[in-house]
Amino acid sequence: DQQVKQNSPSLSVQEGRISILNCDYTNSMFDYFLWYKKYPAEGPTFLISISSIKDKNEDGRFTVFLNKSAKHLSLHIVPSQPGDSAVYFCAARKTGANNLFFGTGTRLTVIP
Amino acid sequence: EAQVTQNPRYLITVTGKKLTVTCSQNMNHEYMSWYRQDPGLGLRQIYYSMNVEVTDKGDVPEGYKVSRKEKRNFPLILESPSPNQTSLYFCASGGYSNQPQHFGDGTRLSIL
Repeated sequence: DQQVKQNSPSLSVQEGRISILNCDYTNSMFDYFLWYKKYPAEGPTFLISISSIKDKNEDGRFTVFLNKSAKHLSLHIVPSQPGDSAVYFCAARKTGANNLFFGTGTRLTVIP
Repeated sequence: EAQVTQNPRYLITVTGKKLTVTCSQNMNHEYMSWYRQDPGLGLRQIYYSMNVEVTDKGDVPEGYKVSRKEKRNFPLILESPSPNQTSLYFCASGGYSNQPQHFGDGTRLSIL
């Protein structure tokens, strides 16, 4: 049973425009959320995170929004750059636990 | 440089032949874990370890063993591999108390 879902397997965006990647979760016990970026032949690398006590966290071009009532989070990349082309995974963690539950990933392609 | 190192990166083997995938980290992290990545399923946790000699099952532990005799090493053992264990495996380090996990570059296993 997939507790973290990324319903869009792929997304294409023009360079300079905004990329919006979405993630939904089903378990209300999740209280910490992360986004990872993965290039081919490499492991996932941490991008940005958000605690459930916040609804927004920003780091440079990357912003994560959390809507707890909808059990939904999104990652905004503005402006998108060709180097952002990668697979993006969202992940969630329960209170008091360390293991992460991952979504299935969204492949972002930024077109020059 | 902070690193999580997995070996081998690629392995093709046959059903029933025991194999070990090594994982080593240089960040003095107590928490380490193993994931497998399969198409349409994202990353799923196999086993994790909170510290030396402390290991526990993740979401998909069947057919796997781990050990944690030293803090830096966390090998994954397949005693009798089967074709359904063909997958991409990632070792991760850190991630305790809302710190992000660091991933190795992955090991692609093919069990014939």
